[in-house]
Amino acid sequence: AQSVAQPEDQVNVAEGNPLTVKCTYSVSGNPYLFWYVQYPNRGLQFLLKYITGDNLVKGSYGFEAEFNKSQTSFHLKKPSALVSDSALYFCAVRDEGANRDDKIIFGKGTRLHILP
Amino acid sequence: GAVVSQHPSWVICKSGTSVKIECRSLDFQATTMFWYRQFPKQSLMLMATSNEGSKATYEQGVEKDKFLINHASLTLSTLTVTSAHPEDSSFYICSAPGQWWEQYFGPGTRLTVT
Repeated sequence: AQSVAQPEDQVNVAEGNPLTVKCTYSVSGNPYLFWYVQYPNRGLQFLLKYITGDNLVKGSYGFEAEFNKSQTSFHLKKPSALVSDSALYFCAVRDEGANRDDKIIFGKGTRLHILP
Repeated sequence: GAVVSQHPSWVICKSGTSVKIECRSLDFQATTMFWYRQFPKQSLMLMATSNEGSKATYEQGVEKDKFLINHASLTLSTLTVTSAHPEDSSFYICSAPGQWWEQYFGPGTRLTVT
């Protein structure tokens, strides 16, 4: 069965500091991994994905994520946090062997607070 | 990029009435759409998978007679909350899969049942 874990409910980072939001996953085959961001009272916005290829994936708004197969992790990172990065972040996974329209599994979300 | 819209963005209804929420893929076709429910400060809960031209697939614990889903065309899926009660108040979000399995989400609909 597929699963994804975001071990931190909340992460606080000072503005200008690097940030990391953690995500680990479990799938039976090769994973497809995603990060989404949700601002208050809004739908989710797609940030980036890992399908295959380079382990370091770059996405929107200066975010990047590193796929680590041995640690089954896909942590979201940004070198220098902005106050506007404060939001709810979701990690998601699906198995490579799943059908295109099969659901993906979301983590419970991590609330990121960037402190001015 | 792929755009998904939802209407209405916010609705208030009285207990016992029904409310319909529309989810549209604006610039692409979606044979499948997903409906989620989100409680305040909580994660997404997948309610059902909407399939164009066939019956929706509901997740365990979701009342199919209460949450009616219709996917009549390749660009439109609707969720009808029937005989709404205050406990149905929530944020409802739809999504459709893109080319590379990423999900494109609608902006969400805030339902308040009084």
